[in-house]
Amino acid sequence: DAGVTQSPTHLIKTRGQQVTLRCSPKSGHDTVSWYQQALGQGPQFIFQYYEEEERQRGNFPDRFSGHQYPNYSSELNVNALLLGDSALYLCASSSEGQGSYEQYFGPGTRLTVT
Amino acid sequence: AQKVTQAQTEISVVEKEDVTLDCVYETRDTTYYLFWYKQPPSGELVFLIRRNSFDEQNEISGRYSWNFQKSTSSFNFTITASQVVDSAVYFCALRGPYNNNDMRFGAGTRLTVKP
Repeated sequence: DAGVTQSPTHLIKTRGQQVTLRCSPKSGHDTVSWYQQALGQGPQFIFQYYEEEERQRGNFPDRFSGHQYPNYSSELNVNALLLGDSALYLCASSSEGQGSYEQYFGPGTRLTVT
Repeated sequence: AQKVTQAQTEISVVEKEDVTLDCVYETRDTTYYLFWYKQPPSGELVFLIRRNSFDEQNEISGRYSWNFQKSTSSFNFTITASQVVDSAVYFCALRGPYNNNDMRFGAGTRLTVKP
């Protein structure tokens, strides 16, 4: 049973560029949440997608957007990258549709903005 | 507002010692959920436990045990007879009722178990 997968593993971008990160949820899960984890800090909630719609958003600007596909996979897009966007981006999946709130995390994508 | 505080930034113990990781939370919700996650050097957060606000029973799973006390808003995690493989960063997290999906994490506690 495959867990949560994310791609790419590492990414280096230049300030002002745009980036797309991808996530495939654990089999049987219908909900994807995205988190940003800066070095030495706990993850911060960006947003959650359920039934192809953004269900809730954390305190992140509109430069951060996402998408969920019918197969439940998801993308996180960040426009106009800033140096402060450098972080580990974690995707988590859960089965909210079945009332299960346990989120299972992927290995993350480490984004470096130079 | 929801908030999780893990006051211990780093803890170092010698193998076979018991260690307790503290977690204090703040919330106005009457229904909420508490979690513990382990983050080894590989970076992937590993789910350890979920506790519902209406269930104050303590739980034991092998060498791991959790002490949930609503009266002090604490959800502490104890590792008995620690092992080198327990070395990781441990996060406590809190989320609200079913329609509040914003999970708040503490800053984490880095546990180092020395042989």
